[in-house]
Amino acid sequence: QLQLQESGPGLVKPSETLSLTCTVSGGSISSSSYYWGWIRQPPGKGLEWIGMIYYSGTTYYTPSLKSRVTISVDTSKNQFSLKLSSVTAADTAVYYCARLLLGRGATTLIDYWGQGTLVTVSS
Amino acid sequence: DIQMTQSPSSLSASVGDRVTITCRASQAISNYLAWYQQKPGKVPKLLIYAASTLQSGVPSRFSGSGSGTDFTLTISSLQPEDVATYYCQKYNSAPLTFGGGTKVEI
Repeated sequence: QLQLQESGPGLVKPSETLSLTCTVSGGSISSSSYYWGWIRQPPGKGLEWIGMIYYSGTTYYTPSLKSRVTISVDTSKNQFSLKLSSVTAADTAVYYCARLLLGRGATTLIDYWGQGTLVTVSS
Repeated sequence: DIQMTQSPSSLSASVGDRVTITCRASQAISNYLAWYQQKPGKVPKLLIYAASTLQSGVPSRFSGSGSGTDFTLTISSLQPEDVATYYCQKYNSAPLTFGGGTKVEI
């Protein structure tokens, strides 16, 4: 049974860097069939796709966050990570990690979500 | 980048009603459209992919249609357990944009 578990600080100060890790169990992050990604949801608001990474290190980011986001992968630990720099209160959200099924034409469908972790940006 | 617009943003219907939610892409995305259901306080769940293919285990009262830029999610007979917010998402290429969501209430 695949499990995705987010971990990291629940409180980050403004202007600092938010760092989260997603640990994958019950499956290999090095599978050629999947990308691994991050999605966030501010309290009471909709879903925002942040970005994704392939086991080889290929990344894609949403344009609005691209200058502040880094997603990395550690295949030896079966983990991938999110770093978001220069955070403000607007970055307060539940952050989900997810698995994305790589399909025909390089499409990527989110088929499995972690439980999510709330990160609050506040001094 | 392609924008995804859902309507309505919320709706209220009675048990047994037929409910339709629409999603429009600002450019054609073929049928690379997914629908997710998020119940209050829960993780989003994949309902439909490829615009009309039901994910395993999803009740048959849910259906999807459309191609190109216009898509619909239909609940043929609304049930109390369908209270949730529904999101469409394009997945043909990055960025994988979500629609703004439609909150369905009884």
